[in-house]
Amino acid sequence: EVQLLESGGGLVQPGGSLRLSCAASGFTFSSYAMSWVRQAPGKGLDWVSSISGSGGNSYHADSVKGRFTISRDNSKDTLYLQMNSLRAEDTALYYCARGGYGGYFDSWGQGTLVTVSS
Amino acid sequence: EIVLTQSPGTLSLSPGERATLSCRASQSVSSTYLAWYQQKPGQAPRLLIYGASSRATGIPDRFSGSGSGTDFTLTISRLEPEDFAVYYCQQYWTFGQGTKVEIK
Repeated sequence: EVQLLESGGGLVQPGGSLRLSCAASGFTFSSYAMSWVRQAPGKGLDWVSSISGSGGNSYHADSVKGRFTISRDNSKDTLYLQMNSLRAEDTALYYCARGGYGGYFDSWGQGTLVTVSS
Repeated sequence: EIVLTQSPGTLSLSPGERATLSCRASQSVSSTYLAWYQQKPGQAPRLLIYGASSRATGIPDRFSGSGSGTDFTLTISRLEPEDFAVYYCQQYWTFGQGTKVEIK
């Protein structure tokens, strides 16, 4: 069974940083592209970043480009999202999802909440 | 940048009725990359349909997807109580704004 478990969310001041993690199990992690998708309170889904299975290629939404960096450690079956220069509008539930990279997301974690506020 | 527009915003129906949800793209898109998701309150999204018309693993056959070009449709043939939720379409990096299916 595919399992994705996010961690690392919390309350941070504007301009601050956080690193999210997503521990994967139940599948061959390195064979799949992985993504982060966020959802602001009461709003819809918003793609953030995707990374190829090897980690050699990644894409970020324009809204986070230059501030967020997606990465992965295939030896640890773990996906990361380094978030710098956080803004109030980054407040959201951040989901780790398998797939993306232009395709669909076939498994999702339960999300980790990031709140940016002073 | 492709924009996906879903309609209606809210669909009020009774259990047993048929639900028809629309997703319109601002330009022609490949059916291969059109997906639909269901999200219930407090839960993560769940993949329903990929490739515009293929059901994901474990999805009941009352859910079906169709369409091509700029117009795509998710149909729920007979609504069950557990189907009342928000539905999103997605293509590449873009999600539609969602359609809420609520109990009438």
